[in-house]
Amino acid sequence: KNEVEQSPQNLTAQEGEFITINCSYSVGISALHWLQQHPGGGIVSLFMLSSGKKKHGRLIATINIQEKHSSLHITASHPRDSAVYICAVSSGGGADGLTFGKGTHLIIQP
Amino acid sequence: SQTIHQWPATLVQPVGSPLSLECTVEGTSNPNLYWYRQAAGRGLQLLFYSIGIDQISSEVPQNLSASRPQDRQFILSSKKLLLSDSGFYLCAWQTDWNTEAFFGQGTRLTVV
Repeated sequence: KNEVEQSPQNLTAQEGEFITINCSYSVGISALHWLQQHPGGGIVSLFMLSSGKKKHGRLIATINIQEKHSSLHITASHPRDSAVYICAVSSGGGADGLTFGKGTHLIIQP
Repeated sequence: SQTIHQWPATLVQPVGSPLSLECTVEGTSNPNLYWYRQAAGRGLQLLFYSIGIDQISSEVPQNLSASRPQDRQFILSSKKLLLSDSGFYLCAWQTDWNTEAFFGQGTRLTVV
């Protein structure tokens, strides 16, 4: 069974800083998801990737399959980026669902 | 467009009472449906998975059950809640196991 580790668990930064959140997993995967959870609880999918790099606005996600590692970067961070960021992987058939990390609680101070 | 509705958003229930959480999906057919739970201090954990009507598989033993009476309706139930059932419950769907996942708003359940 895959184990997903995220770091850091908590991160507080100043507005405008470059943010990096890391995710590592123990077993080969078919896809990795980066998710955002706001205080109300709803979860939104940011990226799904299986190789290389994806960019959406100020968010960039990269994955290194050989090293079993992914990073989520936020450029020019803003207080509205404050949320919990969750890494999740799919490594088998549908019956396994997604395996989630515990999340990174990010706070961006003005 | 594809949307997913989950209700209620919050729920406080006494120990021993029944539970019914409902999730419906719009804008797609024959989705893979999932119920996940997030206990305090832990990551989301898979509870139930369904690939079709009345086809449910359970990931972990518990006093919860799930049903899928219609293609786009997924229900999580319990006959008698335990204190340990408290947590955040999340419904999700994917077109296939290797595609983007979509999530409901979640239900925060407190058993008292």
